[in-house]
Amino acid sequence: EDQVTQSPEALRLQEGESSSLNCSYTVSGLRGLFWYRQDPGKGPEFLFTLYSAGEEKEKERLKATLTKKESFLHITAPKPEDSATYLCAVLASNQGAQKLVFGQGTRLTINP
Amino acid sequence: DSGVTQTPKHLITATGQRVTLRCSPRSGDLSVYWYQQSLDQGLQFLIQYYNGEERAKGNILERFSAQQFPDLHSELNLSSLELGDSALYFCASSRRAYEQYFGPGTRLTVT
Repeated sequence: EDQVTQSPEALRLQEGESSSLNCSYTVSGLRGLFWYRQDPGKGPEFLFTLYSAGEEKEKERLKATLTKKESFLHITAPKPEDSATYLCAVLASNQGAQKLVFGQGTRLTINP
Repeated sequence: DSGVTQTPKHLITATGQRVTLRCSPRSGDLSVYWYQQSLDQGLQFLIQYYNGEERAKGNILERFSAQQFPDLHSELNLSSLELGDSALYFCASSRRAYEQYFGPGTRLTVT
């Protein structure tokens, strides 16, 4: 069964304190890995797509990396406005049908 | 703003009732996806439509159905509602490579 596990469930950092969020996955036929940011009560906001091991993408203070078994979202010198839940999802292909399988998310809080 | 719109924002209804949620995708996007998000289940894929045709199905209950119209907007119909159906329902659309853009969601409360 396709599965995505994110850790930690919650992370509290001080402003400027860099850290990484983990997304490990088991999926048959990985077609892509996606990172989203979600603020409370709002829809997920697309951040990155990664397609192959070794690939990296950057946006402001965020950098996403991908290996064959997991992805990391590195947050450098975070600010309070980076507080949100970060969701990881994999695009799985099963019998010709493709769907996104989401992890439970990491709830990130940045204290000023 | 993702460009995906959903109505209504909030919906309160009683058990056993039927509701319809509406979604308009981003201009040019042919694919529409529906998701359910509850506190204990996370974001669960329900169903996908591509240019009017059903493309993929996830954990969608038989009491739920969806369709995509010629103008590409989509509706999710929920019937015989139960308390456990209370959740946020999101619509997303994409043009390519499954980079999905999500709408603001409809919060359904079943009492």
